[in-house]
Amino acid sequence: DTEVTQTPKHLVMGMTNKKSLKCEQHMGHRAMYWYKQKAKKPPELMFVYSYEKLSINESVPSRFSPECPNSSLLNLHLHALQPEDSALYLCASSQNQNTGPNTEAFFGQGTRLTVV
Amino acid sequence: RKEVEQDPGPFNVPEGATVAFNCTYSNSASQSFFWYRQDCRKEPKLLMSVYSSGNEDGRFTAQLNRASQYISLLIRDSKLSDSATYLCVVVNSGGYQKVTFGTGTKLQVIP
Repeated sequence: DTEVTQTPKHLVMGMTNKKSLKCEQHMGHRAMYWYKQKAKKPPELMFVYSYEKLSINESVPSRFSPECPNSSLLNLHLHALQPEDSALYLCASSQNQNTGPNTEAFFGQGTRLTVV
Repeated sequence: RKEVEQDPGPFNVPEGATVAFNCTYSNSASQSFFWYRQDCRKEPKLLMSVYSSGNEDGRFTAQLNRASQYISLLIRDSKLSDSATYLCVVVNSGGYQKVTFGTGTKLQVIP
C-alpha cells in the first residue's frame, strides 16, 4: 500500500463554517505534511509532523489547525477561513530522517477547497 | 533567494525533441533530490529520484551537481504525454524531513 488518502476530494465552505480535512497513510511513515497549492504555483509547505509531533509551522494563520492523532492520520481543522484560502490542500508522507537519503514523499490527491 | 529555484518556462517543444531543465538549491546540506511531475489539477507524482552518480530511467536522465548545487532533468524523444509541470524537490534532514518544492517548470510538447 503506497497510498496517501485524503478526504474529502472537494469542499465548499462558508467563512463562518468549521470543517476538517483528513489524511491517512499506512506505509509506516513517521513524517507527514500539509501543503497548500494555489493555481499555477508550486505546493507551499504549511506544517510538518514528525513522530506525531508538530515540527514545522510555516507561519500559518491560526484559522488552520493541524492535528496528528496517531502515526497514520493527519487532520487539518479549518475555521473562519477567507476566500483567499481557496486552494488545493495536499497531504504527503515520508519515512523519517533516520532512514537515510533518497526517501521520497508520497502525496495524496488533495482536497480542493473553495471558501465562499 | 528562494530555497529551490527553477525556470518557470513554459518550454514549448516539438514531439521528438530533447529538453533539459535545471534546478538550483541554496542549502548545501540538502540530502535528497527528486523530480516530480504534476499534471493540471492533479497531485504531484514522483518521476524519479536523483542520485549522486546520475541516473537514467528510459527517456529521462537526472543529474546532481553538489559543488554547484543544482540538479537537472533531461527528457529525450519528447512525447505529447510528457506535457506537465516538472517540480524539483529537495529534502533536508535535521531532526525532521523538510520537503521543499521548486517553483516548477511547465513543459508543453507540441505535435
